[in-house]
Order: sequence, then structure tokens, then C-alpha cells
Amino acid sequence: DAKTTQPNSMESNEEEPVHLPCNHSTISGTDYIHWYRQLPSQGPEYVIHGLTSNVNNRMASLAIAEDRKSSTLILHRATLRDAAVYYCILRSPQQRSGGSNYKLTFGKGTLLTVNP
Amino acid sequence: DAGVTQSPTHLIKTRGQHVTLRCSPISGHKSVSWYQQVLGQGPQFIFQYYEKEERGRGNFPDRFSARQFPNYSSELNVNALLLGDSALYLCASSPRGLYSPLHFGNGTRLTVT
Repeated sequence: DAKTTQPNSMESNEEEPVHLPCNHSTISGTDYIHWYRQLPSQGPEYVIHGLTSNVNNRMASLAIAEDRKSSTLILHRATLRDAAVYYCILRSPQQRSGGSNYKLTFGKGTLLTVNP
Repeated sequence: DAGVTQSPTHLIKTRGQHVTLRCSPISGHKSVSWYQQVLGQGPQFIFQYYEKEERGRGNFPDRFSARQFPNYSSELNVNALLLGDSALYLCASSPRGLYSPLHFGNGTRLTVT
């Protein structure tokens, strides 16, 4: 599995934007970039994913470098509820027959602290 | 809509015992995956089932087994428990689709003494 590198921790102030970086220099052309987050005492939660183009949804934006060797998850206005561990994950296509056949390889992620 | 539900939420077992953890996926989701999360680490993949067949297995010993039922619910079984099996066990379901997001439950906290 291709590897991702994230800072161990980051800190932000409430209502300010947060940029969470992820390096994935060994990404292959068919790997999608996925982000999940895990709030305290909960299971991971899907945030966003993309392949080449920048993506936006109601939770966040994903900016992908032109060479795809890095990406940035952007929280436009951090709230206290955004305090979590954020995981950047590469998903590779595997067997296509019969539906989904995949696993997620989680690293240690980035612990985001949001100050009031 | 109900999310992924796991039972029990907490469990304490003794070394050498057997444990069964249960998972109910989101309605309509046919894929179920199991992950182990040790304190301070990210989740590690154990198994994936789709349409009652094992489709993926992580690097875990044969003491770990799982199955998926006709209603797509799933059980994870661990035999001969070791202290190192103490962890949060997460179940995730997903709809059909190669890149469909996984929906995780809040896990079962297993403590082995």
C-alpha cells in the first residue's frame, strides 16, 4: 500500500481556517485520496475524497497538488466539534468483480486541537 | 436512518477465553469490514465480507475469524484471547462501489485481563 505522511498534531483557533497537509509521494495513478476523521470515543467518519481535481463538500475542501504527491484538507471555519484525529488514506482499486473489495490503511493521523 | 450498530459496547474477558462481537450494517449495505484499533494507533484492517463471502483478510492470526449472515450482519470471533487483543474493535459497512465511503460504528471496547 502506498504510504502517507501527516504531522502528528496541529492546533487552530475557533472560527479560523485549518489546512491539514498530507504527503503521498508514492501515489499511483489510480489511487484515490480519502480523508476520515475520528472524534473522541467514536468510530472514524468519512470526510471527503478525490482523484485529481479539487473537491468541496459540506464538511471540507480537498486541494490536490498538480503532481498528486501531496494534498491538503481544508476546514474553512474550525469549530470545537472539529477537534479530532484526521487520517489521510490512499485507496487502490483491487478486484472489481462482485462489488467492493478493499481495505483502508490508516496511519497515526493528525491530532487537531481547536482552541476557543 | 440508523447507523452501524455494534454490540456490546464494552466487554471484559480473561486470557484464554473466547469472544464474539456483533455488527449490524446500515440498511442496504452489503459489505462489512472489521478493524482493530489499539490505543494511540490508527485502525488496522482485519476482515472484509461482501455478500457473505470473505473478500479480504489482514495480517491477523487464525484465532480471529468472522462471518456474515444472510441479513448482512456480521460477527467477529476471537479465540484464546491474549492481553494484546485488548483494543477497540470497529465495524464498518459500505454500499456497493469500489470507492464508496465506509461508515463506521462506534466500536466494542474489549479489555483482556
